Amino acid sequence: QKEVEQNSGPLSVPEGAIASLNCTYSDRVSQSFFWYRQYSGKSPELIMSIYSNGDKEDGRFTAQLNKASQYVSLLIRDSQPSDSATYLCAVKVRDTGKLIFGQGTTLQVKP
Amino acid sequence: DVKVTQSSRYLVKRTGEKVFLECVQDMDHENMFWYRQDPGLGLRLIYFSYDVKMKEKGDIPEGYSVSREKKERFSLILESASTNQTSMYLCASSYQGGNGYTFGSGTRLTVV
Repeated sequence: QKEVEQNSGPLSVPEGAIASLNCTYSDRVSQSFFWYRQYSGKSPELIMSIYSNGDKEDGRFTAQLNKASQYVSLLIRDSQPSDSATYLCAVKVRDTGKLIFGQGTTLQVKP
Repeated sequence: DVKVTQSSRYLVKRTGEKVFLECVQDMDHENMFWYRQDPGLGLRLIYFSYDVKMKEKGDIPEGYSVSREKKERFSLILESASTNQTSMYLCASSYQGGNGYTFGSGTRLTVV
């Protein structure tokens, strides 16, 4: 079992819809979780971090964490074509500064 | 904003050459990392460093070495470049608490 798993997609949604991206992780003691956005040919950019169970909202983005079920998700409301990118889920290895990344989910927002 | 600068955006080297990839960060971060990213394989950790002159192997250190003589600079060295080291190389840094990385813009290395 991979340590951080994401559906590679592509996930295709129409403009204005809600995009839902999911991630599961294997290490029960993980405490810190991150979502990165990566445009084609560019480096990953941190867009959300979440540390506690529940929801965290930032503009059109909402991160959701459920430690009991070991999943973290990212919702993008009112999706725009500019949101088309690969979204990487990352989990911090406890007591280290290292992040383990999922393979990423490619999101396509169609006008 | 934290800035992580990688010295080259694109690089073409010949098989057997010694290759240096440089990374500099300007926010006094303790942690620095080198990853490579390949289609279908995702981001794989090569080496990382928590402090000056300190280094630890990541998941795929074979064929690579690193140097961290100053806190702001972390160099990745390909001792003898091979075609299977053709890849996108990403440097990242973070504070000691490690709450999220900042990535550099990446170096796309082609070994011919």
